[in-house]
Amino acid sequence: DAGITQSPRHKVTETGTPVTLRCHQTENHRYMYWYRQDPGHGLRLIHYSYGVKDTDKGEVSDGYSVSRSKTEDFLLTLESATSSQTSVYFCAISPQGGTDIQYFGAGTRLSVL
Amino acid sequence: GESVGLHLPTLSVQEGDNSIINCAYSNSASDYFIWYKQESGKGPQFIIDIRSNMDKRQGQRVTVLLNKTVKHLSLQIAATQPGDSAVYFCAESNGGSQGNLIFGKGTKLSVKP
Repeated sequence: DAGITQSPRHKVTETGTPVTLRCHQTENHRYMYWYRQDPGHGLRLIHYSYGVKDTDKGEVSDGYSVSRSKTEDFLLTLESATSSQTSVYFCAISPQGGTDIQYFGAGTRLSVL
Repeated sequence: GESVGLHLPTLSVQEGDNSIINCAYSNSASDYFIWYKQESGKGPQFIIDIRSNMDKRQGQRVTVLLNKTVKHLSLQIAATQPGDSAVYFCAESNGGSQGNLIFGKGTKLSVKP
């Protein structure tokens, strides 16, 4: 998975609790992304980062926040998890951004009960 | 495994036959396109990409064709093998390094031995 580690791989949590997912890369790529994948919707962009402390919103950013304090780590936080955030979350990295290959991690399966 | 295949278009082929997976994209200004393969329980894996200044690009056993006139992309897999069974996604870039990939919903390829 191109030097990308997502943690945890599986998580079950309760509605209203905070959750943080971590993406760690060893490729020194500038761009990092968080997607969610749901049946019938394909991959949808939540947030992305184009450098340390530089982040922007994607298509489905409501209810999510991100932080990138160093090149190798990109954190996705659900401040107060809801059942609609039950999904599989993928992190991706890219050297050049929008006109270059994105390499994906193995995913985190999150269930919010 | 993943339920990403729920309600997806399905292509069923015999082992050894050629497969053609089609994708219509939405933005005539898109200048970069990419195909991914996703096996059950795994993250998307890069297959091949193409830029808008090309009509065709070949890789190992795969060919991508781009028809900008009708905004159509296709992935051809030669001599399809059981290991090719997966969900295949196309994606288009909405421009520039700060642009993002917009993913299609995918096609499930099933290879019969």
